[in-house]
Amino acid sequence: GNSVTQMEGPVTLSEEAFLTINCTYTATGYPSLFWYVQYPGEGLQLLLKATKADDKGSNKGFEATYRKETTSFHLEKGSVQVSDSAVYFCALGTTGANSKLTFGKGITLSVRP
Amino acid sequence: DGGITQSPKYLFRKEGQNVTLSCEQNLNHDAMYWYRQDPGQGLRLIYYSQIVNDFQKGDIAEGYSVSREKKESFPLTVTSAQKNPTAFYLCASRASGVAGELFFGEGSRLTVL
Repeated sequence: GNSVTQMEGPVTLSEEAFLTINCTYTATGYPSLFWYVQYPGEGLQLLLKATKADDKGSNKGFEATYRKETTSFHLEKGSVQVSDSAVYFCALGTTGANSKLTFGKGITLSVRP
Repeated sequence: DGGITQSPKYLFRKEGQNVTLSCEQNLNHDAMYWYRQDPGQGLRLIYYSQIVNDFQKGDIAEGYSVSREKKESFPLTVTSAQKNPTAFYLCASRASGVAGELFFGEGSRLTVL
């Protein structure tokens, strides 16, 4: 079956530090890949997505590239801000009649001033 | 504005009681989903529905029930058979033809006393 593996957390960084959050996946076929962000007490929001190999998703300074050869979709940001403190989820989505998302366990990012 | 509304935001229940969580969307999306979120475990799929009057069990359906009588509404009932119901519950919807991308409500936190 499909699965998503995220690096263990939590992660604590200083403001303006470089961020990498690792995500690898196992899937049949050609899934779409997503990063969602969850701020405290809220639901999830889509941060970025990529629908095919070598696509790069980007939003709010975050980037992730769909790497089919390494089955990875690592999230990066060059300079984090305090406002980026949240929980980040990597997810895999399939097409078809029973399309659904499979999520990783999430990782908590704390950015200190 | 279009979106997904979950209610109540916080709910307390005594052991042995059933409770129903509401989820309404005005996005005209066909598919709707219920996820459960527990610390350190990511999101786990409870039930999902692709069209009105049809729904499928997810990975952890035991102790839960749903209905889909209207396109806009997908209520979740947490029954007394659910052994560990205290959790954060998230409802989501998806437009047809969009592989995987979900829109989430703000969640309902259920605490069993």
